Amino acid sequence: QQQVKQSPQSLIVQKGGISIINCAYENTAFDYFPWYQQFPGKGPALLIAIRPDVSEKKEGRFTISFNKSAKQFSLHIMDSQPGDSATYFCAASIRAAGNKLTFGGGTRVLVKP
Amino acid sequence: NAGVTQTPKFRVLKTGQSMTLLCAQDMNHEYMYWYRQDPGMGLRLIHYSVGEGTTAKGEVPDGYNVSRLKKQNFLLGLESAAPSQTSVYFCASSSISSYQETQYFGPGTRLLVL
Repeated sequence: QQQVKQSPQSLIVQKGGISIINCAYENTAFDYFPWYQQFPGKGPALLIAIRPDVSEKKEGRFTISFNKSAKQFSLHIMDSQPGDSATYFCAASIRAAGNKLTFGGGTRVLVKP
Repeated sequence: NAGVTQTPKFRVLKTGQSMTLLCAQDMNHEYMYWYRQDPGMGLRLIHYSVGEGTTAKGEVPDGYNVSRLKKQNFLLGLESAAPSQTSVYFCASSSISSYQETQYFGPGTRLLVL
């Protein structure tokens, strides 16, 4: 049972364009929604995270949009750069239950110069 | 401050062999986790620990055991390796404090079981 579904699996965007990755979750008890960025051969690193009491969070070129009623959240990468080429994972957890992350399947993003 | 470190970085095992993966963190985190990463499946939780001396099962615990005898270390054991355990293993840790939920990941251990 996949509790967090992520799409698309891969994405190609031109430099300066917008990358959009979508995730949907099933468990309404989730209360923490991070996005991780992973480069080849490296461990995932936190990019940005949101809690369900806000609908949007922006950090630099990265924005999370959160729709609690639809049980969906998305990552927008504005002005995409070649250095953003990586695999992105959405995740969700219940903070009071050990903060165990349930990950989406990942999106491989390629930014063409 | 090294963060989360994992040893070894890479290992090849034959079916039936055993091994232990070591994870160490220097951030004084209470929570520690072991995940495995397989292509197209994201990361899946194997076992986790909410404190020294405590462990619990995650989503895919079969074939693995763990121990947390010291707060800074979390060991993952494979008693009898199988080809299905070929994967990249990541350890992570996080604080128990509110608004400090970030899980910090190690660099991973690549395991190939022949």
